[in-house]
Order: sequence, then structure tokens, then C-alpha cells
Amino acid sequence: GDSVTQMEGPVTLSEEAFLTINCTYTATGYPSLFWYVQYPGEGLQLLLKATKADDKGSNKGFEATYRKETTSFHLEKDSVQVSDSAVYFCALIPGGFQKLVFGTGTRLLVSP
Amino acid sequence: EAEVAQSPRYKITEKSQAVAFWCDPISGHATLYWYRQILGQGPELLVQFQDESVVDDSQLPKDRFSAERLKGVDSTLKIQPAELGDSAMYLCASSSDLWEYEQYFGPGTRLTVT
Repeated sequence: GDSVTQMEGPVTLSEEAFLTINCTYTATGYPSLFWYVQYPGEGLQLLLKATKADDKGSNKGFEATYRKETTSFHLEKDSVQVSDSAVYFCALIPGGFQKLVFGTGTRLLVSP
Repeated sequence: EAEVAQSPRYKITEKSQAVAFWCDPISGHATLYWYRQILGQGPELLVQFQDESVVDDSQLPKDRFSAERLKGVDSTLKIQPAELGDSAMYLCASSSDLWEYEQYFGPGTRLTVT
């Protein structure tokens, strides 16, 4: 079945460090790919998306590129801030009706 | 900015009791989703509505869970009887229609069954 695998956390970084959170997927057909973020005490928010191969999603300094050949959608940011501390979820919609399939989430902790 | 509302935010109940959660989606959103998020895991879809109709409830444990969206606006998710394994965060989300990618999530209801 369709699934998403994320690197386990927590990821602990100092402010201004480079961030990578790995995400790979298994899906039939051509899924759309997403990163959601969950700040403490809040609901999930869509961070960025990519709907076809080689698309790059970007938002708030975060980027991810849809790599069909490696079935990956890794999240990157050049310089993290303390305010980026949150849980990040990689997700996909396999097609048809928009049923999101989530990974297990990766907690990011950024220290000053 | 319009938001998805959920209540209560926290609920503690004893096993075998009934519990209900309420969700009010963003005004005008036709599609509503209920997810369950067990601690340390990603959200898992329980049920999806388009207006008042169920589109997908394949992962809903129908022996104890029920969901309704009678007028196609707000929705209620019920568990009866609650079991210890039901302890989780219950998330509601909405989108403008079935083919819209972006789902807007509410803050969730954290359920603890004792």
C-alpha cells in the first residue's frame, strides 16, 4: 500500500544551522507530496507541496524537491531559527479523492 | 483568518464510557475529515465527508465509532464504549472540495481513556 517513511527524531540543531529531514515514499501511480508542520499546541499547517516529478515546493525558507527516481521528498532549510522548532510531517495523496497518508513525523529542536 | 474549530480541546474519560467530539469546518468547505493521531505517529484518516455524505470510512472501527455530518456543516465523532487504546489526538480538517489539495486542520481534541 501507499506509505511514507521519515527519519526518526528528534533532530537537534543550533540556530543558523542547515537542516535536512529525509522523506521517502511508496505509492502506485503519481502521488502529490506534502510537508506539514505542527507547532506546539497548534494544528497541522501545510508548509509546502509538489504535485509532479521535479517540482520544487518552497515556503518560509524551506524547500523540497519531488524526486521520482529516488521516491524522495527531503525537506531542507539553509538557516534554521528557534521559531522553526516543531514536528514536521511528510505526507502524500496517492490520487483520486484527497486522502492524505502521513509519515510518523520528525521533531526539530533548534537552540539559540 | 478562518479556522477549523474543535471542542473540547481535552477530554478524560473512563473506559466503557461514551465520548463525543465536535468539529466546525471553515465556512463553505464541502469536505470534512476526521483523523486519529496516536502519540509518536502520523495522523490516520478515520472518515471523510463530502457535504453530508460519507466518502471514505474504511478505517473507522464501526463497532464503536460513529460519525455524522447531518446538515453538511459541522460534524460529530462519537466513541461508545471507549477503550484504553483510543487514547489519542483526534484531528478535524476541511477543504473546499474533494479535489482541493490543501486541508486545513483544527487544533485537535486530546482524549485520555483511563
